[in-house]
Amino acid sequence: EADIYQTPRYLVIGTGKKITLECSQTMGHDKMYWYQQDPGMELHLIHYSYGVNSTEKGDLSSESTVSRIRTEHFPLTLESARPSHTSQYLCASSESRGIQETQYFGPGTRLLVL
Amino acid sequence: DQQVKQNSPSLSVQEGRISILNCDYTNSMFDYFLWYKKYPAEGPTFLISISSIKDKNEDGRFTVFLNKSAKHLSLHIVPSQPGDSAVYFCAASASGGGADGLTFGKGTHLIIQP
Repeated sequence: EADIYQTPRYLVIGTGKKITLECSQTMGHDKMYWYQQDPGMELHLIHYSYGVNSTEKGDLSSESTVSRIRTEHFPLTLESARPSHTSQYLCASSESRGIQETQYFGPGTRLLVL
Repeated sequence: DQQVKQNSPSLSVQEGRISILNCDYTNSMFDYFLWYKKYPAEGPTFLISISSIKDKNEDGRFTVFLNKSAKHLSLHIVPSQPGDSAVYFCAASASGGGADGLTFGKGTHLIIQP
């Protein structure tokens, strides 16, 4: 199982601020993902990465951006936070083992934009 | 259009009895299915998975059944314990291409009553 960490766990911030949500994993997994989840709803994929210098947008459109400069690190940035960005953000990673992969999740960041 | 559906938002089961959580999917390209357990303010924890080449997978108290013709899977927990109270997400992936994220259902809140 992956050891995957997210900071901060909780963030309350004002509109217009720039924020970066950190995600790190220590298992050397190639693939990393960011999901967004609102209460009572399913998780939606917003970004993913196959490896260093590889990033792609997911199914759900998001104003956030990501980078993958190191294998273990996959931060998500919002240049100008808005109340509509209030949500839970979940980071995950997986090891490429054939065609069926299990994703392991971090504890999540709960973001509240006032 | 939801491709993974969990039609029961909540389920209440007595401690010691069997819990059965259901999941339906519409995308015939899905070939790998997972169940995750999630506590409030935490990330999903991987429980068990099943490949489309199998119809049953068992791990301790957890068993997942897959009925491909009906596009239906279920998670059985027996015996149910108080610590099983959580939200359970069904997820699916297709190995044939596209974004490599998982497609999630909206979750079922399982409540184990003493």
